[in-house]
Amino acid sequence: GNSVTQMEGPVTLSEEAFLTINCTYTATGYPSLFWYVQYPGEGLQLLLKATKADDKGSNKGFEATYRKETTSFHLEKGSVQVSDSAVYFCALIRFPYKYIFGTGTRLKVLA
Amino acid sequence: DAGVIQSPRHEVTEMGQEVTLRCKPISGHDYLFWYRQTMMRGLELLIYFNNNVPIDDSGMPEDRFSAKMPNASFSTLKIQPSEPRDSAVYFCASSGRVSISGNTIYFGEGSWLTVV
Repeated sequence: GNSVTQMEGPVTLSEEAFLTINCTYTATGYPSLFWYVQYPGEGLQLLLKATKADDKGSNKGFEATYRKETTSFHLEKGSVQVSDSAVYFCALIRFPYKYIFGTGTRLKVLA
Repeated sequence: DAGVIQSPRHEVTEMGQEVTLRCKPISGHDYLFWYRQTMMRGLELLIYFNNNVPIDDSGMPEDRFSAKMPNASFSTLKIQPSEPRDSAVYFCASSGRVSISGNTIYFGEGSWLTVV
């Protein structure tokens, strides 16, 4: 079946540290891949996406590369800020239009 | 631009009462989704509509839950009777025309339901 696996949280980092949140997927074919972010008390917002192998999605300093050979879509940021504290969800979409989300990884950035 | 609008934002109700959650999708979007988020189960897709027609309701937990979309700008999720285990955040989301490469879905801010 189709699934998304994320690393367990919470992840606690100091400001300006390097961030990696691992995401791997299981799916037939080549699904589109997404990272969504949820700030406290809010809904999920699209952070970035990639639609085919080797694509790199990027936004607000975050990046993720679609790796077909390792079925991965790891989220990275070179220097995190306190304002990046949130829950991050990896997701894929399967036709006909069903999103599958990971369990979410909580990030806490300390000043 | 107005995003997905949900109401109420917060609701506290007694067990056995009927709960109705409302959603207005983004204008022009023809897909509408209802999700439930809990600490134990994460984010679960309950049901989704395309052009006001329910496409997949396999995530609806039981007969106490029902969803309707009478027109392109309005949907409801109803729980009757409500139980404490229904306490969760319920998100509505919408999206535009599907494409093979996938599409972004836009979430509302959620309805925080507590059943006591």
